Amino acid sequence: AQSVSQHNHHVILSEAASLELGCNYSYGGTVNLFWYVQYPGQHLQLLLKYFSGDPLVKGIKGFEAEFIKSKFSFNLRKPSVQWSDTAEYFCAVNPKGSGTYKYIFGTGTRLKVLA
Amino acid sequence: DTEVTQTPKHLVMGMTNKKSLKCEQHMGHRAMYWYKQKAKKPPELMFVYSYEKLSINESVPSRFSPECPNSSLLNLHLHALQPEDSALYLCASSLGVQETQYFGPGTRLLVL
Repeated sequence: AQSVSQHNHHVILSEAASLELGCNYSYGGTVNLFWYVQYPGQHLQLLLKYFSGDPLVKGIKGFEAEFIKSKFSFNLRKPSVQWSDTAEYFCAVNPKGSGTYKYIFGTGTRLKVLA
Repeated sequence: DTEVTQTPKHLVMGMTNKKSLKCEQHMGHRAMYWYKQKAKKPPELMFVYSYEKLSINESVPSRFSPECPNSSLLNLHLHALQPEDSALYLCASSLGVQETQYFGPGTRLLVL
């Protein structure tokens, strides 16, 4: 069965530290990839997405992610986190070509940034 | 207009009540979705509508009944719910197949 793994369930960082959140998926075909963020009390917002082309994608608020096809990974990075980045981060995968609208979400990573 | 709106924001209902959740978008999207999200868990897909027709039902109990009256509007009718149905119900929409989904703020439902 298709699945998405986010190995870091909880991450605590100090401000200005660098961030990398892992996302791995299990699906042999081509995929669309997404990172969503959910700030406390707010709704899911799209951070960035990868459909095709340059595997390094840049999103909002200084986030970027790199798609490594050979590793089935789409890790999220930010060079210097801020207190306002405290949120839950979800990776999502949408298998291409199947005609399915279904997103497969990872279990989420809860990030806390200490001021 | 680039947002998905949902009403009400909060809903408390008894197990014998009938209520409805409403979702609206004016982005011209032709696919709309209902998700259920429990605390500290990822969203779980419930239903997908494509061009106003139900295309995916993820084996959701019949006490949840979706309806898509037109391309901009999606309802979720609730009847005889159980306390374990308490959750955040999210609506999303996308332009079409395998396009980016945009989420609404959700309705926080409490079933007593």
